[in-house]
Amino acid sequence: EIVLTQSPATLSLSPGERATLSCRASQSVSSYLAWYQQKPGQAPRLLIYDASNRATGIPARFSGSGSGTDFTLTISSLEPEDFAVYYCQQRSNWSWTFGQGTKVEIK
Amino acid sequence: QVQLQESGPGLVKPSETLSLTCAVSGYSISSGYYWGWIRQPPGKGLEWIGSIYHSGSTYYNPSLKSRVTISVDTSKNQFSLKLSSVTAADTAVYYCAIQLWLHHFDYWGQGTLVTVSS
Repeated sequence: EIVLTQSPATLSLSPGERATLSCRASQSVSSYLAWYQQKPGQAPRLLIYDASNRATGIPARFSGSGSGTDFTLTISSLEPEDFAVYYCQQRSNWSWTFGQGTKVEIK
Repeated sequence: QVQLQESGPGLVKPSETLSLTCAVSGYSISSGYYWGWIRQPPGKGLEWIGSIYHSGSTYYNPSLKSRVTISVDTSKNQFSLKLSSVTAADTAVYYCAIQLWLHHFDYWGQGTLVTVSS
């Protein structure tokens, strides 16, 4: 099973700042890496798929990069509604796994 | 746009079987795509349970495979999850989702909390 490790566990930033979240896979997942945002009491929402493609309706301030084992989600300028938990997810060999999450909190 | 809605008992006794249904609207399951179940224990992260193709092919999390059955009912446009021999560790919010391109989960239901307790 491929393990996804996200860092940091918590990111304390102010609105307007840039957020950089990391996701590392225990082995190559090619570009089959997605990112989700989850707010309290809500279902996760797909942000990025195939490492760098924004999902429908996702603002341009969200961007994804990487391939193989190292991936990054960048939020260029944090808006108040962006403070949430972010998960990465991969699919390989007919098995899907999630990272443990990064919480982006208001500093 | 496709919408998904989970339903089922909110309380299940230990050793019994958890049964949930995901009703799909805005799209016909028989037309294609993969459909998945994911769960989230209170205060914890996300865990993939399994996925099913519209034709019935299934894929399960190896850690749950012996206890999980996912099926699809195209006549009712819904798919279902059964998890047997539940324990308190199975207490979680259970989500259903559509996988438009297989690799990720595009749209999710709102989730339903299932508590395992006597």
